[in-house]
Amino acid sequence: GAVVSQHPSRVICKSGTSVKIECRSLDFQATTMFWYRQFPKQSLMLMATSNEGSKATYEQGVEKDKFLINHASLTLSTLTVTSAHPEDSSFYICSGSSGAASYNEQFFGPGTRLTVL
Amino acid sequence: EDKVVQSPLSLVVHEGDTVTLNCSYEVTNFRSLLWYKQEKKAPTFLFMLTSSGIEKKSGRLSSILDKKELFSILNITATQTGDSAVYLCAVEAPQGGSEKLVFGKGTKLTVNP
Repeated sequence: GAVVSQHPSRVICKSGTSVKIECRSLDFQATTMFWYRQFPKQSLMLMATSNEGSKATYEQGVEKDKFLINHASLTLSTLTVTSAHPEDSSFYICSGSSGAASYNEQFFGPGTRLTVL
Repeated sequence: EDKVVQSPLSLVVHEGDTVTLNCSYEVTNFRSLLWYKQEKKAPTFLFMLTSSGIEKKSGRLSSILDKKELFSILNITATQTGDSAVYLCAVEAPQGGSEKLVFGKGTKLTVNP
């Protein structure tokens, strides 16, 4: 199956700093990338959908100025958590979809554990 | 609002038992239902179901979809400790051209030796 990587896998930062998470599709071109957030014992919640070269579409309740998403190429999307606060501590997972098949399977990255102190 | 509900939320069984996990959904625009297994990291894909009544099987796991009653079940027979995980059900519910997945909260399965 297709492979998606995320970097870093774990990050700890101080409150008020910004953190960038990278999501790369390694062996396919991800025309669409999705960013999810998962709090402990909760399900994955979609934060935003991004198509290469265009602005991301954010889900209701997700602040686009706080969670900056860039999908500059078909293999790379980044999520920047700006001015992070402890309540932003979560598990962030990206997925990529090639859009090549009638069923656009999403391939998940391994996730990034963010802890804001 | 699109919704996916899984039950039970948690389940503890002994090795060798058979378990059935449930997933019901209400979405505006249904395309497919997917089952994932999540251990410590990101979910891994198990099944995709699009048609009612057709069972999908992979080893000891099987799943079926009922589009009339809007639910799916995931069966695991002869459970092993390695089956311990959170099982997530998701529905692909495209909106405005976006391939949106709506996830349930998951069923946490613990298989004891």
